[in-house]
Amino acid sequence: NAGVTQTPKFQVLKTGQSMTLQCAQDMNHEYMSWYRQDPGMGLRLIHYSVGAGITDQGEVPNGYNVSRSTTEDFPLRLLSAAPSQTSVYFCASSYGAALRNSPLHFGNGTRLTVT
Amino acid sequence: GDSVTQMEGPVTLSEEAFLTINCTYTATGYPSLFWYVQYPGEGLQLLLKATKADDKGSNKGFEATYRKETTSFHLEKGSVQVSDSAVYFCALSDSNYQLIWGAGTKLIIKP
Repeated sequence: NAGVTQTPKFQVLKTGQSMTLQCAQDMNHEYMSWYRQDPGMGLRLIHYSVGAGITDQGEVPNGYNVSRSTTEDFPLRLLSAAPSQTSVYFCASSYGAALRNSPLHFGNGTRLTVT
Repeated sequence: GDSVTQMEGPVTLSEEAFLTINCTYTATGYPSLFWYVQYPGEGLQLLLKATKADDKGSNKGFEATYRKETTSFHLEKGSVQVSDSAVYFCALSDSNYQLIWGAGTKLIIKP
């Protein structure tokens, strides 16, 4: 049972490069989201989606794009990487969008370093 | 806006010690409260939750009680094990689509 799968696990980019972080879930979850985790700051929501074709911004969306063409996949695109985007990125999904009732399931993260 | 405050870590304890990790919150509505745990090299997973005042969530020997009068949701365990070493996150959900997270508390258990 794969759950939420993120690739790659590690990535090093140079400033200005672009890349896509992949996220796939096999649980038929309606809700998917991307967080970044920085020391001492908890998790901050970047973008989320409540279903295929629907995306919305979270707390820190600048510099990131997302799309949701299928229920299973929710890629995160960095358009022009900056050192401030050095972080650990987590994808999370949930059966329903009412998160007070439906727990989040997390991938194992992607550690990104921008030099 | 809503916020969650956790005690700073790391918290270092010996095996079989009693654990408390403090969590307080501010919210305008009536949120659900959660504890998530992150083991080394892994993503977060739900440990326990409570959806209304005076509810007690429990799992794997951990407990937390939703205290509206003190706006708290402290995590406790009577006897910790080395395998409990992890980072613990308190979070709240006051609306759909988003959780508000605390900064996380790293717990280190020494044999």
